[in-house]
Amino acid sequence: GESVGLHLPTLSVQEGDNSIINCAYSNSASDYFIWYKQESGKGPQFIIDIRSNMDKRQGQRVTVLLNKTVKHLSLQIAATQPGDSAVYFCAENMGSGGSNYKLTFGKGTLLTVNP
Amino acid sequence: DGGITQSPKYLFRKEGQNVTLSCEQNLNHDAMYWYRQDPGQGLRLIYYSQIVNDFQKGDIAEGYSVSREKKESFPLTVTSAQKNPTAFYLCASSASGLDTQYFGPGTRLTVL
Repeated sequence: GESVGLHLPTLSVQEGDNSIINCAYSNSASDYFIWYKQESGKGPQFIIDIRSNMDKRQGQRVTVLLNKTVKHLSLQIAATQPGDSAVYFCAENMGSGGSNYKLTFGKGTLLTVNP
Repeated sequence: DGGITQSPKYLFRKEGQNVTLSCEQNLNHDAMYWYRQDPGQGLRLIYYSQIVNDFQKGDIAEGYSVSREKKESFPLTVTSAQKNPTAFYLCASSASGLDTQYFGPGTRLTVL
């Protein structure tokens, strides 16, 4: 089975609320993680990444948290806006533990923002 | 305007025909990738190339072929041997294997 998965396939929030999208991974050798946003009919767009030597990284309105103890990754979006509605994917790279060039993707979570 | 381009956006083909999808990048990236996405699914790796004139099979390479004659270009051919070719095809590139992969807009292939 996939080593990267999501707890919730869909998430619906009100505009202005904070959103949290979760991702579990099973490969302890993974050392690089990425969150992508994909709007309907378009290619995935890079949001934020984090390496395994960090447990938190912040961007503009987004924060990624990495808990290596329980192999869990989350994406937090502050003050969610209608334009944030999309499918969000997490991906992991095993780095030196495996093929550096191979990302493993989860199935994605559909985020819907209600006005 | 830098980035990754894929053409065409929509492609229709009859069963039994080969078809080639284009992917070009002007980011000076060494690595390029092809993924397939089916409805409600994550991305699955078809082929990847670390450098010019070199490429490796991904998880679902059967029925596909690639070439990497130029650093900027990584075309994908979907052959008649691919049993279920209808899908959304995504090309990506990265500076190296440990760097972020950036994606093109995708090509939606429909086999009639």
